[in-house]
Amino acid sequence: GEDVEQSLFLSVREGDSSVINCTYTDSSSTYLYWYKQEPGAGLQLLTYIFSNMDMKQDQRLTVLLNKKDKHLSLRIADTQTGDSAIYFCAESLNYGGSQGNLIFGKGTKLSVKP
Amino acid sequence: NAGVTQTPKFQVLKTGQSMTLQCAQDMNHNSMYWYRQDPGMGLRLIYYSASEGTTDKGEVPNGYNVSRLNKREFSLRLESAAPSQTSVYFCASTPEGGRNQPQHFGDGTRLSIL
Repeated sequence: GEDVEQSLFLSVREGDSSVINCTYTDSSSTYLYWYKQEPGAGLQLLTYIFSNMDMKQDQRLTVLLNKKDKHLSLRIADTQTGDSAIYFCAESLNYGGSQGNLIFGKGTKLSVKP
Repeated sequence: NAGVTQTPKFQVLKTGQSMTLQCAQDMNHNSMYWYRQDPGMGLRLIYYSASEGTTDKGEVPNGYNVSRLNKREFSLRLESAAPSQTSVYFCASTPEGGRNQPQHFGDGTRLSIL
């Protein structure tokens, strides 16, 4: 079945760029999402990209998609302590009655050191 | 702007007790979802409701039942709670169960089974 993989931890210094990576398995066209979860809170949608796009930029966030390798990355420029959170990559299923259901990675915990 | 509201926020149960987790959304969304989040496991789909009057099993439905009471409300019931059901439960909704519809999440219910 479909699977989404991402590394569990990332530590960066304030002001540096953070790059969080994700791989997925669905070979058909799909939407891919990045969610942010702060401690004790729910998931907040950060951005999403359709699989016919290579890149999407939104202020400090840049999403890069390599469809051939099924690799997605989220780059956060000028990382701040407020960016410390867990970041989830999610793939939207593309078939039958499950269309639109999301498969989540296990989450990458980003720690930003001052 | 309430969005997706979950109640209660915290609950402690004894093994064998029953409980219903409530979820309501005020965005006129058609599709609603219940997930559980466990350390190192990401989010796993328990049940979903593509539209009012329909419910379907997700990845981990055993031990749970759901009711789509009306368009706004989607409840999750544990008939006989087990320690393995200790988790954080998230409800989400989306306008339609389509591939380009990001899911909106509640803040979660933290459930402990003793």
